[in-house]
Amino acid sequence: DSGVTQTPKHLITATGQRVTLRCSPRSGDLSVYWYQQSLDQGLQFLIQYYNGEERAKGNILERFSAQQFPDLHSELNLSSLELGDSALYFCASSEPLLSSYNEQFFGPGTRLTVL
Amino acid sequence: AQSVTQLDSQVPVFEEAPVELRCNYSSSVSVYLFWYVQYPNQGLQLLLKYLSGSTLVKGINGFEAEFNKSQTSFHLRKPSVHISDTAEYFCAVSLMFSGGYNKLIFGAGTRLAVHP
Repeated sequence: DSGVTQTPKHLITATGQRVTLRCSPRSGDLSVYWYQQSLDQGLQFLIQYYNGEERAKGNILERFSAQQFPDLHSELNLSSLELGDSALYFCASSEPLLSSYNEQFFGPGTRLTVL
Repeated sequence: AQSVTQLDSQVPVFEEAPVELRCNYSSSVSVYLFWYVQYPNQGLQLLLKYLSGSTLVKGINGFEAEFNKSQTSFHLRKPSVHISDTAEYFCAVSLMFSGGYNKLIFGAGTRLAVHP
C-alpha cells in the first residue's frame, strides 16, 4: 500500500458525459501527478500540482482539467467524454522537498470505461 | 527529447529460470532511471532506481539492474523467477523541469509471464 488513495476504483459512463476522479496523496506529500494508461498510448504524464499550483503539463487534452485543493487532495475532471478516453488513470504523490529527484508513489488507479 | 524503449513487449519464462528485461533510453542530459512493476489490477510499485553512483542497482524482490551509459541501457535482471513475478514491468526516465520538478516518461512495458 503506497498511501495514495484514489476513488472511485471503477467508473462506467457514456460518451459526452463528465466525470471527476479523486486522489488523496500520502500524508505530508505536496506534489500530485496524474497519469493516463491506455492500450494505444501506454502510460502518459498528464499534469502535476504542487501545493495547490499547477507546475507541469504533459499530454493533457483541453477537455480535461485538474485542481489541487487546500487539503492537498486533487481532482481530475474529464468532460465531453469519448470512447478513446477509456483508460486507467493513476495519481501519484511525492515528498515536499524540491530536490533534483522526488520519488513518486502511485495510487491503485481509477479504471474509466466510456460506452 | 528523452524517450524510453522497452525492447520486448512480452517475455515468457519458466519458473526458476533467469530473466532479463531490456530497456534503452535516449537523453542528452544526465538521467535518473527506474523500473516499476504493475501486478494485475494494481497500481505501480517502484522496483529500483538509479540516481547516481554504482551502476549496479539492487531492488526489491531479488531484482537488479545495470546502468550502462555508453549503451544507454538499463536492463532489469533476476537470476531465478517465481510465478509471483508475473506482471507488467515498466522502465522510466525522469524528465526534469526548472525549479526541480520532475515527471516520469515511461516505456511501453514488458509483460513477464512465468510458467510452472
